[in-house]
Amino acid sequence: DVKVTQSSRYLVKRTGEKVFLECVQDMDHENMFWYRQDPGLGLRLIYFSYDVKMKEKGDIPEGYSVSREKKERFSLILESASTNQTSMYLCASSTRLAGGRDTQYFGPGTRLTVL
Amino acid sequence: GQQLNQSPQSMFIQEGEDVSMNCTSSSIFNTWLWYKQDPGEGPVLLIALYKAGELTSNGRLTAQFGITRKDSFLNISASIPSDVGIYFCAGLFSGGYQKVTFGTGTKLQVIP
Repeated sequence: DVKVTQSSRYLVKRTGEKVFLECVQDMDHENMFWYRQDPGLGLRLIYFSYDVKMKEKGDIPEGYSVSREKKERFSLILESASTNQTSMYLCASSTRLAGGRDTQYFGPGTRLTVL
Repeated sequence: GQQLNQSPQSMFIQEGEDVSMNCTSSSIFNTWLWYKQDPGEGPVLLIALYKAGELTSNGRLTAQFGITRKDSFLNISASIPSDVGIYFCAGLFSGGYQKVTFGTGTKLQVIP
């Protein structure tokens, strides 16, 4: 079974704090993604990575950065947390299976509240 | 970013009823994925579809990849209370970095 884990299920931080969200996958997937999910806005892609030390901006990268030093780990960093970054953060990983079959698996999510 | 049109947005059904939902896109995809998300949890992959016209089942769930490659359908037969949740479709066009476009979600509530 594919396993994507996230370091925290719930997190409460103060405005201006630096926040690290960690994601680990155990299936040797090449691609990893960070999304945020907000009511009425659906899932929005923040950043993704297709290889170690490689990163690409998604649809809403402002206020975030990422780090991928090892294949299994993808970190999302909020440099200076703000209240509008209160959200559910979801990590996902994906790989191309035999026959060109793609799929994507999600972690359990981190509910971040910024006060 | 783009979102796929998913309908219905929400539905209330009696336990034991069958459920149908669909997802449409203006773009072609060569992979369709269906997820279920429980409150406060991450989406869980239910079914993956890779070929136009493909029909795939997972227990009481059946999904189809539309022949136009611009739509997909999910059916749940004989619903039970634990089917409650939000169902998302997702389309993917291989060749890039496997970036996924998600549907707006269908919220399902089952009345016992």
